[in-house]
Amino acid sequence: GQQVMQIPQYQHVQEGEDFTTYCNSSTTLSNIQWYKQRPGGHPVFLIQLVKSGEVKKQKRLTFQFGEAKKNSSLHITATQTTDVGTYFCAGAGAGGTSYGKLTFGQGTILTVHP
Amino acid sequence: DAGVIQSPRHEVTEMGQEVTLRCKPISGHNSLFWYRQTMMRGLELLIYFNNNVPIDDSGMPEDRFSAKMPNASFSTLKIQPSEPRDSAVYFCASRVGVGNTEAFFGQGTRLTVV
Repeated sequence: GQQVMQIPQYQHVQEGEDFTTYCNSSTTLSNIQWYKQRPGGHPVFLIQLVKSGEVKKQKRLTFQFGEAKKNSSLHITATQTTDVGTYFCAGAGAGGTSYGKLTFGQGTILTVHP
Repeated sequence: DAGVIQSPRHEVTEMGQEVTLRCKPISGHNSLFWYRQTMMRGLELLIYFNNNVPIDDSGMPEDRFSAKMPNASFSTLKIQPSEPRDSAVYFCASRVGVGNTEAFFGQGTRLTVV
């Protein structure tokens, strides 16, 4: 079945350092989405990537979708304490019984030390 | 819009008891997901529905778990009998359409089975 792997599981950074999390799918995806979950909260949608090789930016966040539509990354430049939380990628199945299925990676827990 | 509404927010029950979790998706959304979140296993997809029809329930742990969606505005996840290992946060999420749209999560139900 469709599996989505995400690394690292934890990342501790000093405020101002950069942060990257990586996501890999066992199957080709229709699209990939990224979510952020604050401690004690629920996942909140950040962005969606659909096209092969797509790159999108949101202020200090840069999202990439691989050429084969099987991997993705999220990079945060100059982290701030407000970036603390768990970042999830979620892969949408491309066809067959996986179409529409949204499978989440394990998430990367980011802590930022002031 | 009030967003995805889950109830109860917290549930403490004794092992062997039946537990029913409820979800009201956002009006107009026709895909609904149930996820279970634990530290060990992350966000696991249990089941998802399209237009009230279960499409993929391969993530349902075992026969003790069942989910229904009798209409577009209501879904339940039932555990009978409950066991301590079922303790987790259960999220319901909904979205418009089947493919390239964001999922909106409810606040979750924190279940503790003692």
